[in-house]
Amino acid sequence: RKEVEQDPGPFNVPEGATVAFNCTYSNSASQSFFWYRQDCRKEPKLLMSVYSSGNEDGRFTAQLNRASQYISLLIRDSKLSDSATYLCVVILNAGKSTFGDGTTLTVKP
Amino acid sequence: EAGVVQSPRYKIIEKKQPVAFWCNPISGHNTLYWYRQNLGQGPELLIRYENEEAVDDSQLPKDRFSAERLKGVDSTLKIQPAELGDSAVYLCASSLEGLAGTVLYNEQFFGPGTRLTVL
Repeated sequence: RKEVEQDPGPFNVPEGATVAFNCTYSNSASQSFFWYRQDCRKEPKLLMSVYSSGNEDGRFTAQLNRASQYISLLIRDSKLSDSATYLCVVILNAGKSTFGDGTTLTVKP
Repeated sequence: EAGVVQSPRYKIIEKKQPVAFWCNPISGHNTLYWYRQNLGQGPELLIRYENEEAVDDSQLPKDRFSAERLKGVDSTLKIQPAELGDSAVYLCASSLEGLAGTVLYNEQFFGPGTRLTVL
């Protein structure tokens, strides 16, 4: 079993839809969590950090569930420009970071 | 503020040849990471430096890969000799790790990567 797992998708949704991704992790010592966005043939770009209390940034909401060991990303009112691969990353308290393999989102007109 | 700089952006070599990648992190960032990313997969950590010390190189194939971060700033990743399976994108990232109250912040910022093709 991989340390960090994501549903690869692809998720194909119409503009304006709400879509949610989950990312599960196996190491309970994980301390920090982030979502990154990666466009085709580009580097990953930080989308948002994930805090224990949950956090929101515009149309994006991130949640952490330590008991079930997963993080989630919710995108409301999807835009064409949201089409990308979304990567979660989990960082252990010793600093080691592990990325998931990403979930591909395509938003269609 | 300048981001993470990497060079070269692309490299094509024949197998058994050596290759080197260079990374200049964001100014002031104490932690530097080298990742390898294969198509359809997430970045895989190869090595992490805190200042000039390699604190995690457990995923670095040490028979052919080496890295250094002299003076705790720029870093070089080398492969010698390269194999066909080394074809991938090599990403460098940096972060400034610290505490804000009880919150640990360690967001990583990536360079554009070096796309390596081994023929």
